[in-house]
Amino acid sequence: EPEVTQTPSHQVTQMGQEVILRCVPISNHLYFYWYRQILGQKVEFLVSFYNNEISEKSEIFDDQFSVERPDGSNFTLKIRSTKLEDSAMYFCASSEALQVGTYNEQFFGPGTRLTVL
Amino acid sequence: SQQGEEDPQALSIQEGENATMNCSYKTSINNLQWYRQNSGRGLVHLILIRSNEREKHSGRLRVTLDTSKKSSSLLITASRAADTASYFCAIYNFNKFYFGSGTKLNVKP
Repeated sequence: EPEVTQTPSHQVTQMGQEVILRCVPISNHLYFYWYRQILGQKVEFLVSFYNNEISEKSEIFDDQFSVERPDGSNFTLKIRSTKLEDSAMYFCASSEALQVGTYNEQFFGPGTRLTVL
Repeated sequence: SQQGEEDPQALSIQEGENATMNCSYKTSINNLQWYRQNSGRGLVHLILIRSNEREKHSGRLRVTLDTSKKSSSLLITASRAADTASYFCAIYNFNKFYFGSGTKLNVKP
């Protein structure tokens, strides 16, 4: 069964460093998303991506963050100059379609745990 | 906030009993989805209910939606120890998903 994969499973970085989190969405999916979940808190939407550009982003997704689809399979989240409060689980998700009123199940990857020291 | 909010925050039941979790939200929605998360793992999609639907079943799961009350419920019948997890509702509106804080379900064998 096709699944979303994410690497690495755990990333430890020093404050101020840049990190790139990688995701391989399901191959025929067109819409990609990043979410984060700070320990013990809600899953928070960060950004959605379609046709090589950002569709929607939340207030959290500021200039520190960027997303990219560098090739036909990977979808990356870059966090520049990491802060302690960036420590969280980051989930990638993908879906076939995103049309208002229609079915749009999102398939989530297992997550990358980012620890900023 | 448009986010769904689940209650109760935690629920502990015996295996075989039914578990009911509720979700309330504040805005109009396109659809509402329930997800499950095992500790430290990713989210698994359980069921989607559209705004024009009132009830949906999938195996031991039953979801209801009352758009007039802006609420949804997830019922797990004949619970099993393996159902122990956190359950989240997610509302989909204007191309974004909003997740609630979740209900932690503990099913004791």
